[in-house]
Amino acid sequence: GQQLNQSPQSMFIQEGEDVSMNCTSSSIFNTWLWYKQDPGEGPVLLIALYKAGELTSNGRLTAQFGITRKDSFLNISASIPSDVGIYFCAGWYNNNDMRFGAGTRLTVKP
Amino acid sequence: DTGVSQDPRHKITKRGQNVTFRCDPISEHNRLYWYRQTLGQGPEFLTYFQNEAQLEKSRLLSDRFSAERPKGSFSTLEIQRTEQGDSAMYLCASSSGVGYTFGSGTRLTVV
Repeated sequence: GQQLNQSPQSMFIQEGEDVSMNCTSSSIFNTWLWYKQDPGEGPVLLIALYKAGELTSNGRLTAQFGITRKDSFLNISASIPSDVGIYFCAGWYNNNDMRFGAGTRLTVKP
Repeated sequence: DTGVSQDPRHKITKRGQNVTFRCDPISEHNRLYWYRQTLGQGPEFLTYFQNEAQLEKSRLLSDRFSAERPKGSFSTLEIQRTEQGDSAMYLCASSSGVGYTFGSGTRLTVV
């Protein structure tokens, strides 16, 4: 089946630092999405990427859709305490389902 | 509130009991999805509805699981004869295109 490998599994950073995480797949996806999940809540969409090479920003967040369509990265600049949470990449396999990575758990120390 | 609502937020049940969860999607969204999430993992696809039609079911959805969306609005997910391995967060999402809006989930604990 479709497998998404997300790294790193966890990150501990100081407030103000930049963060980078990525996601790779054994298969091609048509769309890549990045979600953030807070404890006890559902994932919230941060950024959606629709074509290979696309670079999209949302405030301090920047994400790119890899040229091979098998990978994507998410950068967070100048991290703040409310960035704490679990970040998931997701690949849109077809119109009917979306596959998620296992997540990157981000901890920001003030 | 125009988000996706799930009820209950938490459910503790004894092994062997049946449970039913409800999801109210965003009203103008015709697609509704159920996912399951266990600790330390991303959400895993269970099933998908377009309006009232259930169009796809994952192999994760055993015979003990059934989902309905009778009028193309709210949906229910029932688990019969619950097992401890069913303990997880059950997430509902709705969409009218790319990018889902998730509810807050129902956390099921089977004891």
